[in-house]
Amino acid sequence: AQKITQTQPGMFVQEKEAVTLDCTYDTSDPSYGLFWYKQPSSGEMIFLIYQGSYDQQNATEGRYSLNFQKARKSANLVISASQLGDSAMYFCAMREDQDSSYKLIFGSGTRLLVRP
Amino acid sequence: GAVVSQHPSRVICKSGTSVKIECRSLDFQATTMFWYRQFPKKSLMLMATSNEGSKATYEQGVEKDKFLINHASLTLSTLTVTSAHPEDSSFYICSAREVERYTSKRWGTDTQYFGPGTRLTVL
Repeated sequence: AQKITQTQPGMFVQEKEAVTLDCTYDTSDPSYGLFWYKQPSSGEMIFLIYQGSYDQQNATEGRYSLNFQKARKSANLVISASQLGDSAMYFCAMREDQDSSYKLIFGSGTRLLVRP
Repeated sequence: GAVVSQHPSRVICKSGTSVKIECRSLDFQATTMFWYRQFPKKSLMLMATSNEGSKATYEQGVEKDKFLINHASLTLSTLTVTSAHPEDSSFYICSAREVERYTSKRWGTDTQYFGPGTRLTVL
């Protein structure tokens, strides 16, 4: 079974509107971390936001927020007030803390295109 | 903070030559670094985990003799693609793990920060 699932290969959003990128995960580890990264066409992976499994509140970083629903095992990224520069690939990733390698498991990504 | 550099950003080489890619954490110490490979329009594929002062741990299917990894210091890991062939052409990207201490806002996070990547083309 896929550990990280991103069901939206591509998304469109109008500039200045909000958009939600979906991510569901599968783990039996009670302690884990969830991450979102942005990859523009230049290729660099930009860290956006982190949510720990024990965090009581949903993570927020500027225009990015993470809608963490633990029971549903979902960690959707919400981008508010979309900008043209938000057009990029977005990857959801998970780190399982019982795995002492600290490696990240990535989803297949969602390509977001912001329309002017 | 949390800046990772990678050099070179782009390299073109002839088949049979070896190519070394450097990954540096510029403003933090990284006991663990990771090497990924990414094919066009695909997700990142973890190749190996590089631990400072010890041997790298390779993922299944990755040839350790072909992709040599050295993590000689807390800020530098290198990936050497030996006897490169056209099928090794790809985008290689490294990351460095930063472990933050607890702050007043939240528990310490354990985050991987990525380098800008190296595009390797083997002719």
